[in-house]
Amino acid sequence: DAKTTQPPSMDCAEGRAANLPCNHSTISGNEYVYWYRQIHSQGPQYIIHGLKNNETNEMASLIITEDRKSSTLILPHATLRDTAVYYCIVRSRSNDYKLSFGAGTTVTVRA
Amino acid sequence: DAGVIQSPRHEVTEMGQEVTLRCKPISGHDYLFWYRQTMMRGLELLIYFNNNVPIDDSGMPEDRFSAKMPNASFSTLKIQPSEPRDSAVYFCASGTGNQPQHFGDGTRLSIL
Repeated sequence: DAKTTQPPSMDCAEGRAANLPCNHSTISGNEYVYWYRQIHSQGPQYIIHGLKNNETNEMASLIITEDRKSSTLILPHATLRDTAVYYCIVRSRSNDYKLSFGAGTTVTVRA
Repeated sequence: DAGVIQSPRHEVTEMGQEVTLRCKPISGHDYLFWYRQTMMRGLELLIYFNNNVPIDDSGMPEDRFSAKMPNASFSTLKIQPSEPRDSAVYFCASGTGNQPQHFGDGTRLSIL
């Protein structure tokens, strides 16, 4: 699976949009981009995933560049409860269902 | 719907004792994963099952660790004998097809 690169940390103001970048320059055509987050003392929580097109759900939006080498997770209106570690993961579409978690981005939402 | 259920939530035991962690996956999910999280190594996959059959156990650290899935609704991760370096949070996750994995809240294990 392709590796991902994320900034170690970022701050965000409550009520503002949080834009979390992720680089995955070695991604191949059969690999999805997944985002999970982990709030302190809880298990990782699925947020969103995509292949080529931009995706949106009730939690977030995922913007994938045309060359697929990078993506941005957007939390449209960050709240204090969005403070967490956010993981960007590349996963194969094949029968390999493993997820490889990196260090992620620690996002702190401030009032 | 009930999510992935893990028990116990916390376990403290002495070195050398046997430890058994339990997991009940989401009903209908045919994949089950065991992960371990430590400050040093982050979140790492230990083993995963498909239809109760172990598919990849390359992440299991050593022979002291074993995992079983006797049926579709139950799995165990056993450590025997336990050592202080096994102290970590152990997560179980389940999934189906190409759908996202869903994680339990973990078992926080402390080996004294």
